[in-house]
Amino acid sequence: EAQVTQNPRYLITVTGKKLTVTCSQNMNHEYMSWYRQDPGLGLRQIYYSMNVEVTDKGDVPEGYKVSRKEKRNFPLILESPSPNQTSLYFCASKPGQRFIKSYEQYFGPGTRLTVT
Amino acid sequence: KQEVTQIPAALSVPEGENLVLNCSFTDSAIYNLQWFRQDPGKGLTSLLLIQSSQREQTSGRLNASLDKSSGRSTLYIAASQPGDSATYLCAVTMDSNYQLIWGAGTKLIIKP
Repeated sequence: EAQVTQNPRYLITVTGKKLTVTCSQNMNHEYMSWYRQDPGLGLRQIYYSMNVEVTDKGDVPEGYKVSRKEKRNFPLILESPSPNQTSLYFCASKPGQRFIKSYEQYFGPGTRLTVT
Repeated sequence: KQEVTQIPAALSVPEGENLVLNCSFTDSAIYNLQWFRQDPGKGLTSLLLIQSSQREQTSGRLNASLDKSSGRSTLYIAASQPGDSATYLCAVTMDSNYQLIWGAGTKLIIKP
């Protein structure tokens, strides 16, 4: 089954404790992206990756890191989480650059993060 | 800067009614527009994608229209059912950088 998976689905942590949210897709997609969703604000893009070893900042990259060492994986790293990073996080993927504007994105189930 | 707005933020209607959800955007330089459905704990599901050159797309009881010049899209749901209850999001793909810009969503409740 074609899918995007995220782990963990729920996470409660404390300020300053480094964490990683994993994202993996099995569709051989080149493009992957991370979003956060906050009430009343819609989804905002954190980082995206057009291909392996190619990453770019989205609208709200501060406090986050990403890496793309393999095509299927795109982990989101919070080096020193703060309470304002409490949010619902989504990973997404879609086919590569030739199709980048056309094809719909496939989303993971979301990770609800709470930072106390 | 592109802004996407969805009004109303919430809508409650009786089962069986036809309804329209609205999405507006400020910059008409879009490549496409998508409608998504969000169910609690289940992520986002793409419902319809309309290319900027198209006027509408249909899937089952859903029909999405796009008027790029006026910066508007509508999602029409026919014969609504309780299973249609969810949050509906629209998002535009910018022509310049492929970025998706999202509306905040409309929470739809269909009462049995």
